[in-house]
Formats: sequence, C-alpha cells, structure tokens
Amino acid sequence: SQTIHQWPATLVQPVGSPLSLECTVEGTSNPNLYWYRQAAGRGLQLLFYSVGIGQISSEVPQNLSASRPQDRQFILSSKKLLLSDSGFYLCAWSEQGALVSGYTFGSGTRLTVV
Amino acid sequence: GQQVMQIPQYQHVQEGEDFTTYCNSSTTLSNIQWYKQRPGGHPVFLIQLVKSGEVKKQKRLTFQFGEAKKNSSLHITATQTTDVGTYFCITKTSYDKVIFGPGTSLSVIP
Repeated sequence: SQTIHQWPATLVQPVGSPLSLECTVEGTSNPNLYWYRQAAGRGLQLLFYSVGIGQISSEVPQNLSASRPQDRQFILSSKKLLLSDSGFYLCAWSEQGALVSGYTFGSGTRLTVV
Repeated sequence: GQQVMQIPQYQHVQEGEDFTTYCNSSTTLSNIQWYKQRPGGHPVFLIQLVKSGEVKKQKRLTFQFGEAKKNSSLHITATQTTDVGTYFCITKTSYDKVIFGPGTSLSVIP
C-alpha cells in the first residue's frame, strides 16, 4: 500500500534562518507531488506541484522553493524565513490527475517563525 | 477567477443534530471531492462524485452532486463528537485548475 511521510511534525525557527521540509512517498511510482500551506483558520493554498523528477511548478510567488531530487521525494526550502511563512505545511501525492484519484496528504509540519 | 463557495463557514450543533455543508459554483463542474480535516490534523479524502445527481452514502454521511453539477452537499445525520472538524470540497475549473472550497468548520456540543 502507498504511504506518505512528512517531517518534522513541528518546527520553531527564527526569522532569517533556512528551512528544509522533506516528504517521501512509498508504494507508488511517478506520483504527482504537492506542497500546500494552510494559514490558521484558512483554506489550503497550493505552493508547488511536481509531475516528475526535476519538474517543479510554482503557484504563488514567495521566498520558498521546492525540489524533487528523486521520484518519490519532495523538498520544500527557504534560504531566509519570514514571519509570514508561519503556517501548517502539507505534502500530498496523487496518481496522475488528482481530481481523478484524490489527494493523499502527509501529516503536516506546523512551522512557527519567531 | 472561478471560485467555489462553501456555506456555512462555521456550524455549531448539539450532538445528535444533523449537519449539512454546501459547495456552490457558478459554472459546471466535472467532478467534486470531499475531505475532512480534524483539528490539528491533515485532510483525509472522503468521497468523489462524478455523475449528475449522484448520491453516495458512507454510514451517517450522505454526499450529493447537483443535477446541474454546479453544487454539492455533504449531510451528516445525528452528529457525534467524532464528526468535529473542517469539511471542504475540491474541484476543478474549466481550465483544469484545482480549486478548494474554504471549508466548513463543524463543532459538536456534547
């Protein structure tokens, strides 16, 4: 069966520090991978998605970046965190075409920038 | 741009009461998915509706897709405290862009 792992679960980082969140998927090949952010009490905002190794699409301009060094690995990074980067970050995967098979979300990373 | 509205934004019910949330669009939708997110948790896929007028049931949950495929509803019969969370829909615009409903936050008072 397919599983998705996301870590760390919580993170407190000072303003200006770097960020690296990692997500891995097991049990499937060539998944679509996504990074979402959810601000407190608000809906999901798509940050990045990837349909293959090295293929990254950005939905929202920001100081975050994403990389997909391996088929089932998706990394969210920042060189210098801002206070506004605080939020709940969710990694997700889907079969090719999420609106056909649905998203499976990781357990999320709660990031607080102080 | 195209949006999906979801109502109500918040709902507080007494345990045992019914609950309904609606996703509404001004344009025809190809399909719609519903997710549940418990407080502090991550969204979990519940169901997908594709056909006009489709109705699907999962125990106390009933999902419906409108005849015109412009709206959908999620109804919970006799709510329990385990139903607490945010319910939101996901669909796709005519330009193949995935959009999320903002969610309905359900509180159940024991």
